[in-house]
Amino acid sequence: DTGVSQNPRHKITKRGQNVTFRCDPISEHNRLYWYRQTLGQGPEFLTYFQNEAQLEKSRLLSDRFSAERPKGSFSTLEIQRTEQGDSAMYLCASSLKAEVGYTFGSGTRLTVV
Amino acid sequence: QQQVKQSPQSLIVQKGGIPIINCAYENTAFDYFPWYQQFPGKGPALLIAIRPDVSEKKEGRFTISFNKSAKQFSLHIMDSQPGDSATYFCAASKDSGGSNYKLTFGKGTLLTVNP
Repeated sequence: DTGVSQNPRHKITKRGQNVTFRCDPISEHNRLYWYRQTLGQGPEFLTYFQNEAQLEKSRLLSDRFSAERPKGSFSTLEIQRTEQGDSAMYLCASSLKAEVGYTFGSGTRLTVV
Repeated sequence: QQQVKQSPQSLIVQKGGIPIINCAYENTAFDYFPWYQQFPGKGPALLIAIRPDVSEKKEGRFTISFNKSAKQFSLHIMDSQPGDSATYFCAASKDSGGSNYKLTFGKGTLLTVNP
């Protein structure tokens, strides 16, 4: 296990299409986070899972966004009816229950044209 | 409302110099303050972190200085190298009884270390 894996690395989609990203956390980590990062900004929190339970969602996560973590393993983030403002890097991170240090993946860069 | 303010936005130093990046926070409930390093095309990587019960923490060439009364903390990079050229982010979170580690990030500092 070499870290947090995110797929795809890049995604170009037309406005109005749906996209889904996948995150595979470090296997023993029970906490999983999604963040969004736009150019020149720090990552912004989107949502958080502890095992399979989604415990918190940011106001940034509109109704077009949905995240799942079935069986507390990998997670998916789906964006429906994409808009140009959704263009960003979507970062996934994981951590252990008793640890506050995140391990981030390399992210999925979404471009909506 | 920007809860963590980071400065400067960019910084250029010569090899061997000591760049200093500063952050200020507003929420006194924050009790965990990490610094992350990010290279182009990569996710942020945890560099060093501090809790408010200590005023300084060193790990290798990286030092965090923490001033609880001023609600400020800073990152110092000793003997900086060209390989340290990256974007650095400060962050903060509050431990809600061990159940939530949501990070609030600053906007980042682009550091360039010239050879």
